[in-house]
Amino acid sequence: EPEVTQTPSHQVTQMGQEVILRCVPISNHLYFYWYRQILGQKVEFLVSFYNNEISEKSEIFDDQFSVERPDGSNFTLKIRSTKLEDSAMYFCASSPGTGVRGTPLHFGNGTRLTVT
Amino acid sequence: GESVGLHLPTLSVQEGDNSIINCAYSNSASDYFIWYKQESGKGPQFIIDIRSNMDKRQGQRVTVLLNKTVKHLSLQIAATQPGDSAVYFCAENINGGNMLTFGGGTRLMVKP
Repeated sequence: EPEVTQTPSHQVTQMGQEVILRCVPISNHLYFYWYRQILGQKVEFLVSFYNNEISEKSEIFDDQFSVERPDGSNFTLKIRSTKLEDSAMYFCASSPGTGVRGTPLHFGNGTRLTVT
Repeated sequence: GESVGLHLPTLSVQEGDNSIINCAYSNSASDYFIWYKQESGKGPQFIIDIRSNMDKRQGQRVTVLLNKTVKHLSLQIAATQPGDSAVYFCAENINGGNMLTFGGGTRLMVKP
């Protein structure tokens, strides 16, 4: 069964550094998402992306965050200047249909970001 | 603010028994709900969904019940197995947007 793959599985960075988290969504999917989960807390929506542009974003997704689909297969999340509070598990997801209701979101296994 | 929440943080059941995991929501505009299962070290995995024009939906060993009057959602797992041990999240979607709002999660522990 096709999977959403994320790399790296664990990223350690120093405060103030830029990080790029990478995702390869399922190949025929049209909608892409980033969510994050701070340890022990809820999974939180960051951003959705469709047709090469952001379709929806949360308050968390401020100017420090950006997303890009640089080619036909990758979907990236960039944090320009990381803060301690950015430490979390970041999940990429994709769906083939009309957003979250088309068919269920398929999540990757996440990248654990640790900011020191 | 309005949010999706869970009554029980941890549920421990005996293998073979039925499990019921509950979720309360407060946003009356929510009209689509999903249950996800998250195993250790993995991303959320879709279990079952339900739209607000339904009050019950069944899958393989799982049933979701929706009570719009009291804004309550439940997930029933029949004949719980050790492989069902995980954290279960409910999530809601409002008016067809692209955002899911997740609840806080319930850990299900299955005793052999």
